[in-house]
Amino acid sequence: GAGVSQTPSNKVTEKGKYVELRCDPISGHTALYWYRQSLGQGPEFLIYFQGTGAADDSGLPNDRFFAVRPEGSVSTLKIQRTERGDSAVYLCASSSGTGGDIYGYTFGSGTRLTVV
Amino acid sequence: TQLLEQSPQFLSIQEGENLTVYCNSSSVFSSLQWYRQEPGEGPVLLVTVVTGGEVKKLKRLTFQFGDARKDSSLHITAAQPGDTGLYLCAGVRDSNYQLIWGAGTKLIIKP
Repeated sequence: GAGVSQTPSNKVTEKGKYVELRCDPISGHTALYWYRQSLGQGPEFLIYFQGTGAADDSGLPNDRFFAVRPEGSVSTLKIQRTERGDSAVYLCASSSGTGGDIYGYTFGSGTRLTVV
Repeated sequence: TQLLEQSPQFLSIQEGENLTVYCNSSSVFSSLQWYRQEPGEGPVLLVTVVTGGEVKKLKRLTFQFGDARKDSSLHITAAQPGDTGLYLCAGVRDSNYQLIWGAGTKLIIKP
């Protein structure tokens, strides 16, 4: 597609529920990143995919968070047993680089997750 | 401790004034990127600087990378209300793909 598409744009869920957030990167971009952003802060790295594999998942806060990218394109971020502290904007970005891409990323508009 | 320190955190000025936003670190970066983010949207890349001492201009915006590649600045001339937004700097260290982000500067330009 022309840009990075994230769905849903907003998600309200009850504490303890399971949620899935979807990212559709720019066509042909091999690198995909998930970030989390709290109000008034810069994005916080969660996970980086190169193709189908998670090249670095060191930013995932705990084992309730998991992400997949089975065909090297669309990615899904999955959060189990959601907690109120998970509330944030979840951003996805893609690039054509192979890691160490110094030229910048294209971000989606994000999914605003609210856990009540 | 924030690896990339942005200042000021918040700036509200009148239309037509000039301003400078700073992004400082004690670490060396391979490149430094500036993004602008509006409410409800993801960050949008404005510019990437990669060479120490590099200066790039984007209309009324001037970006500079420090000689030692540890700091950067964004200068806006004759600010317009449309410049309002959150300005974020982010750096790439060596071959590490992870962007190190500043906390952002919230800029409001009043008509």
